[in-house]
Amino acid sequence: RKEVEQDPGPFNVPEGATVAFNCTYSNSASQSFFWYRQDCRKEPKLLMSVYSSGNEDGRFTAQLNRASQYISLLIRDSKLSDSATYLCVVSLFGNQFYFGTGTSLTVIP
Amino acid sequence: DTEVTQTPKHLVMGMTNKKSLKCEQHMGHRAMYWYKQKAKKPPELMFVYSYEKLSINESVPSRFSPECPNSSLLNLHLHALQPEDSALYLCASSQTPGTSYEQYFGPGTRLTVT
Repeated sequence: RKEVEQDPGPFNVPEGATVAFNCTYSNSASQSFFWYRQDCRKEPKLLMSVYSSGNEDGRFTAQLNRASQYISLLIRDSKLSDSATYLCVVSLFGNQFYFGTGTSLTVIP
Repeated sequence: DTEVTQTPKHLVMGMTNKKSLKCEQHMGHRAMYWYKQKAKKPPELMFVYSYEKLSINESVPSRFSPECPNSSLLNLHLHALQPEDSALYLCASSQTPGTSYEQYFGPGTRLTVT
């Protein structure tokens, strides 16, 4: 069983749409949770950490549900520049990071 | 300044060559990582260094040899690679081993083995 599972998509949405990605993790001892964004042929870049109380950064909202062991990312008012692969990352014991397979998003004009 | 640098950006090497990939960070991070990423796949962890000591080796073949000369530098020595080792090699760092801090990635070295 994989440590982190993500729907690979692809998600194709029109500009201005709201889109949500979910990610589930298998180890209840997981400590930290992140969303990264990766553009084609580039490195992953941290989008946001995910806190237990949920957190928001502009158009992006992340939620964590420890009881159900899932993490979500909501993108509101999608822009063309949001097109990328979104990676869910879970950390166990601080220096073991587990990546989901990534969810591909294309925002269409 | 959240920057991890990697050199070279691109590398083409034959199966008998020896080469090294370099990674540097000046954020005072004490955990450093090597990942391998194939197209349309997530990064796969290869090695973790915590306080300049190898703490995790994910059963990587011995033709890959990591080295951490000091807290800012991480090298990956390559020898007798196979064509299937062609990939993007990513270096990352995080603040303190054993804590919940996020990782920062370098731009990667795109390696082609011929």
